[in-house]
Amino acid sequence: QLQLQESGSGLVKPSQTLSLTCDVSGASISSGGFSWSWVRLPPGKGLEWVGYIYPSGRTYYSPSLRSRILMSVDRSKNQLSLRLTSVTAADTALYFCARVNQVMGRALDVWGQGTTVTVSS
Amino acid sequence: QSVLTQPPSASGTPGQRVTISCSGSSSNIGSNSVKWYHQVAGAAPKLLIYSDSQRPSGVPDRFSGSKSGTSASLAISGLQSEDESDYYCEAWDDSLNGSVFGTGTKVTVL
Repeated sequence: QLQLQESGSGLVKPSQTLSLTCDVSGASISSGGFSWSWVRLPPGKGLEWVGYIYPSGRTYYSPSLRSRILMSVDRSKNQLSLRLTSVTAADTALYFCARVNQVMGRALDVWGQGTTVTVSS
Repeated sequence: QSVLTQPPSASGTPGQRVTISCSGSSSNIGSNSVKWYHQVAGAAPKLLIYSDSQRPSGVPDRFSGSKSGTSASLAISGLQSEDESDYYCEAWDDSLNGSVFGTGTKVTVL
């Protein structure tokens, strides 16, 4: 059974870099028909799409984050990574990784439990 | 600011039918499939509907989705107390070259 587990820097100072990883177990990150996504939920707000990454490494990013974001895959570790530079309080959120099911019209069909990131000095 | 607009809240009594709308444009709902998710506070979102109206296995048939033009809807029939959560639509936007979530709707079971 596919499981996703996020981890990373829980507390980040303003202007520094947020780094998260998502461990994928129960299936290969390179499985055909799937890509991977990050989504975040700021406190008191709604879900915000962060970006997609295909196993090939091709990425699509939210326009509002495009200048600060880098998503990558490590096939040897079966792991996703998210880096967000120059963070501000607006980047404080619960961050989720999720599988993107291409057959289901790019639906996010499996989610991790999320990891909380707080940006504060 | 999201390009997909949902009502902030909806409510009903147990057994009633509740409908949530999601209004977009030709670059998102009008040309791409709509997904619906629900999320209980602090937990991971769960997929309810994909490809506008399809239910993943395990999702009760009380949940149904539809789309017309640049708007989509999620209907919950036979409302139950466990349906109380936040609901979001999502669609790819060709103009943004990225995906977008709706503003979210909090469903309350009275």
